[in-house]
Amino acid sequence: EVQLVESGGGLVQPGGSLRLSCTASTASKGTFNNYEINWVRQGPGKGPEWISFISRAGTTILYADSVKGRFTISRDAAENSVSLQMNSLRVEDTAVYYCARYYGGLDYWGQGTLVTVSS
Amino acid sequence: DIVVTQSPLSLPVTPGEPASISCRSSQSLLHSSGNTYLDWYLQKPGQSPQLLIYLTSNRASGVPDRFSGSGSGTDFTLKISRVEAEDVGIYYCVQALEKWTFGPGTKVEI
Repeated sequence: EVQLVESGGGLVQPGGSLRLSCTASTASKGTFNNYEINWVRQGPGKGPEWISFISRAGTTILYADSVKGRFTISRDAAENSVSLQMNSLRVEDTAVYYCARYYGGLDYWGQGTLVTVSS
Repeated sequence: DIVVTQSPLSLPVTPGEPASISCRSSQSLLHSSGNTYLDWYLQKPGQSPQLLIYLTSNRASGVPDRFSGSGSGTDFTLKISRVEAEDVGIYYCVQALEKWTFGPGTKVEI
């Protein structure tokens, strides 16, 4: 079974940076590089918001307008991971950040990592 | 940008009875491939969202057959033939034709 794990969340001041990582559980590591990965966030008391996508080879990258120019998605095949570099963070970026595999739909999700932007 | 709306936003249900949620997109979700890019997700309390239906009418792996999706173009429906207690949560329709856009959610409670 596919299991995704997010890490890297925490408390950061407005204007600061944070790097999130999405990896697969041990059983799924060998196939992680075949996954198309999305990042979806959910602010407190709000619905989910899609923010970024990266294709298997990393050749197709998409961003929501709300994060374009501030966030960068990338993947490291050697590390079997997908990262989300978040710069110029704002209070409104406070959310639980999920990574999710795209295969027809967003069929597997991690448990999320909390990012809090506050002074 | 494609806008997605849902109705109702709150849906009281009775176990054993059917339930239905409507979803509408601001433009057709039909792709030239013939696929219509509308998915349904359920987020149970304290959990990550889970995929129920993809490409309008395909049940995801492990999803009970009491869930069904239908629709075309800009109008879609999720139906639960007989609601069970475990079905409570927030249901989201999501367009996946141009990036991804989540609807506002329908809170289903008993």
